[in-house]
Amino acid sequence: GAGVSQTPSNKVTEKGKYVELRCDPISGHTALYWYRQSLGQGPEFLIYFQGTGAADDSGLPNDRFFAVRPEGSVSTLKIQRTERGDSAVYLCASSLRKTSFDEQFFGPGTRLTVL
Amino acid sequence: DAKTTQPPSMDCAEGRAANLPCNHSTISGNEYVYWYRQIHSQGPQYIIHGLKNNETNEMASLIITEDRKSSTLILPHATLRDTAVYYCIVRVYGGSQGNLIFGKGTKLSVKP
Repeated sequence: GAGVSQTPSNKVTEKGKYVELRCDPISGHTALYWYRQSLGQGPEFLIYFQGTGAADDSGLPNDRFFAVRPEGSVSTLKIQRTERGDSAVYLCASSLRKTSFDEQFFGPGTRLTVL
Repeated sequence: DAKTTQPPSMDCAEGRAANLPCNHSTISGNEYVYWYRQIHSQGPQYIIHGLKNNETNEMASLIITEDRKSSTLILPHATLRDTAVYYCIVRVYGGSQGNLIFGKGTKLSVKP
């Protein structure tokens, strides 16, 4: 079946610009996660949605970062006034979260480059 | 910070077993050990998880020491496609916290 998809696969922007990154989770998965991965590091948690609401946004680095999931499926990560330090691969994952064990299925990521 | 310690890199010959160690000396009684791997330019992929008993699935085996302070992921017959970064993660099973806390992992290189 279809896995988690993310668009675009690559995004190049200029410092100060606004970007939106999209995540399409696996159909029926109620939980959705955003992570950020810098070169040579493991993924770093940003935000977790259960349904439409953000259950945990403690990983968002500052108020320039915002994410939504209005209908409980597709999610958009929004970054305002981008900075060069925001350059990274942004990963999205989803899980069923119906049982205690929620294997997270990851998308291929969006590589964001801020010039 | 990640609660696990892994060697930064390992090599393995194709067809041989790959044994990837992980130290988690501060693991709590309700925390499980999870393993994910990340092949180059892909998102992480779940491999296996366990509490205290050894576990095996179609991908790998997980051996957890009796004191639960360390574990070993075993790929019984490594192939070139197993070249990836392997992450060992400890996490409460069914907890309210949803996220995974990744360290830097072990970069496994399988060589012909």
